[in-house]
Amino acid sequence: EAQVTQNPRYLITVTGKKLTVTCSQNMNHEYMSWYRQDPGLGLRQIYYSMNVEVTDKGDVPEGYKVSRKEKRNFPLILESPSPNQTSLYFCASRDLGNSPLHFGNGTRLTVT
Amino acid sequence: QKEVEQDPGPLSVPEGAIVSLNCTYSNSAFQYFMWYRQYSRKGPELLMYTYSSGNKEDGRFTAQVDKSSKYISLFIRDSQPSDSATYLCAMTAGNNRKLIWGLGTSLAVNP
Repeated sequence: EAQVTQNPRYLITVTGKKLTVTCSQNMNHEYMSWYRQDPGLGLRQIYYSMNVEVTDKGDVPEGYKVSRKEKRNFPLILESPSPNQTSLYFCASRDLGNSPLHFGNGTRLTVT
Repeated sequence: QKEVEQDPGPLSVPEGAIVSLNCTYSNSAFQYFMWYRQYSRKGPELLMYTYSSGNKEDGRFTAQVDKSSKYISLFIRDSQPSDSATYLCAMTAGNNRKLIWGLGTSLAVNP
């Protein structure tokens, strides 16, 4: 089954404790992206990648890191999480060009 | 002013009603228009994808694009309780340019 898989689905952590949210897709998509979704603010792009070893900032990259060492994986790293990073996070992928995005089922992160 | 405006609702309708969901936009360069459906605790899933102006129909769903008015619509006929979700519009000028999202409209279809 074609899918984008994120782990974990739920995560509660404390301020400053480094964490990684994994994302993997099995559709051989070149493009991958991370979004956060917050009430009243909608989906906002954090980082995206158009191919292996190529990453770019989205609208809200502060406090986040990403890497794209393999085509299928695009982990999101929070080196020192803060409470304002409490949110619902989505990974998505698509082919290059004008293809639509495919989303994972989300990771709900709470930072206390 | 946001590039894409979407009324967040909530919208509540009885089962069987025709639902109309709308987005307006300001960037005349947008050419690709999408509607995503998001159930609670799930990721958005693509519902309709249209290029340029016109209508596209898929079962009970019809997507309409009016580029002259910078207005897109999603119609749901014979709405079902399973249609209860948040509906997000998204659009782009294409060629790997940024996808711009509406905030989403929350829809409840009551049995």
